[in-house]
Amino acid sequence: DTAVSQTPKYLVTQMGNDKSIKCEQNLGHDTMYWYKQDSKKFLKIMFSYNNKELIINETVPNRFSPKSPDKAHLNLHINSLELGDSAVYFCASSQGGLLGNTIYFGEGSWLTVV
Amino acid sequence: SQQGEEDPQALSIQEGENATMNCSYKTSINNLQWYRQNSGRGLVHLILIRSNEREKHSGRLRVTLDTSKKSSSLLITASRAADTASYFCATAYNRGTSYGKLTFGQGTILTVHP
Repeated sequence: DTAVSQTPKYLVTQMGNDKSIKCEQNLGHDTMYWYKQDSKKFLKIMFSYNNKELIINETVPNRFSPKSPDKAHLNLHINSLELGDSAVYFCASSQGGLLGNTIYFGEGSWLTVV
Repeated sequence: SQQGEEDPQALSIQEGENATMNCSYKTSINNLQWYRQNSGRGLVHLILIRSNEREKHSGRLRVTLDTSKKSSSLLITASRAADTASYFCATAYNRGTSYGKLTFGQGTILTVHP
């Protein structure tokens, strides 16, 4: 059974479009995250939600809007896509925060903006 | 600024040899974690070492932490071709909330030749 699943795995879209990436975890965790991995493999946190409440927002452009309908889901909506948004987006979850807890990652969503 | 930096950026060895990867960081941490990423896949948690620990083992993995030097090393003994992957260190530290923040380095690309 997949612990953290995200869809779609691959997404190619044109500049200016709006797209969403969905994420679900079946681990019963209360905290979920979105990370972005750029072409140089740097992995940076974008958002963190705990029990549906926003905990971390790392100066991400407001074109990115996370939505957590319940603590098992954290979706990422991106408006007016730009070329620089091309990256791999990882959803992740943990029980509690990051001080001592293991974080579980999804398989990633490869976004290409053309 | 980047919290964790791995060294070397790439490492190529023969099967059976040991692989050592290093990680340096800049600020005080709560714990340090190592992750593995196979090409085209998500990150998988390998091991977590807390700031009051100096060494930890898990199977063929050995992690050391030197908080005075702000550095950690990951040793993979008797490497196998299946160990070929990127390895990331991530530092967790308190950012003013109980949730903490996890910051990743750029990773070391390990290639194990059969």
